[in-house]
Amino acid sequence: QSVLTQPPSVSGAPGQRVTISCTGSSSNIGAGNEVHWYRHLPGTVPTLLIYGNTNRPSGVPERFSASKSGTSASLVITGPLAEDEADYYCQSYDSSLSGSAVFGGGTKLTVL
Amino acid sequence: VQLVQSGSEVKKPGASVRVSCMASGYNFADWTVNWVRQAPGQGLEWMGWSSPYNDNTKYSQKFQGRVTMTTDTSTNTAHMEVRSLTADDTAIYYCARGDYRDYTGYPMDVWGQGTTVAVSS
Repeated sequence: QSVLTQPPSVSGAPGQRVTISCTGSSSNIGAGNEVHWYRHLPGTVPTLLIYGNTNRPSGVPERFSASKSGTSASLVITGPLAEDEADYYCQSYDSSLSGSAVFGGGTKLTVL
Repeated sequence: VQLVQSGSEVKKPGASVRVSCMASGYNFADWTVNWVRQAPGQGLEWMGWSSPYNDNTKYSQKFQGRVTMTTDTSTNTAHMEVRSLTADDTAIYYCARGDYRDYTGYPMDVWGQGTTVAVSS
């Protein structure tokens, strides 16, 4: 069981809005630790998609956005493209684990 | 900025494996190196980090006592050794740049290409 909980899969059609949730607790997300998001296509290297809760690194399309509230965070993909089919992971740090990094279990995005 | 890892390994149960990660394009001494693995059909799993800045390490409780992470600033290389391997350690192992100096909470913004470790008798 992952410390951060994500839905195993989500799907959406181009033009729709897809949301991936990441639920933590008072010792990680709720403690004010920042949330980062990664995209991982099996067989390739994970890439940083969102850092510091809401920030997109240069080169990441604007259709990717994220937010954080309380003990949860969300990644939103507005108008997913076929190329966005991948696994998405949230990551934060957990104060009860002496600041260890923790990942969500990952969410597989299927573009319809 | 890149991290280049050592090649694939095949090990027998009970053996040890050492994976290397060579950094270039940035000041290696200022940034921690995380190790993350992905077993077949599983998600990303953080294993720990080592800091060339202050020689500190932090390991996931799951791997404490079985893994050693080091950094060598003379070669800009991080190493991770996993001992007492079992079939459950079959995975792709990634290194990833993490925190800056004594600061915490940074994202893992640069990743190595991954090293496949297969454990089989």
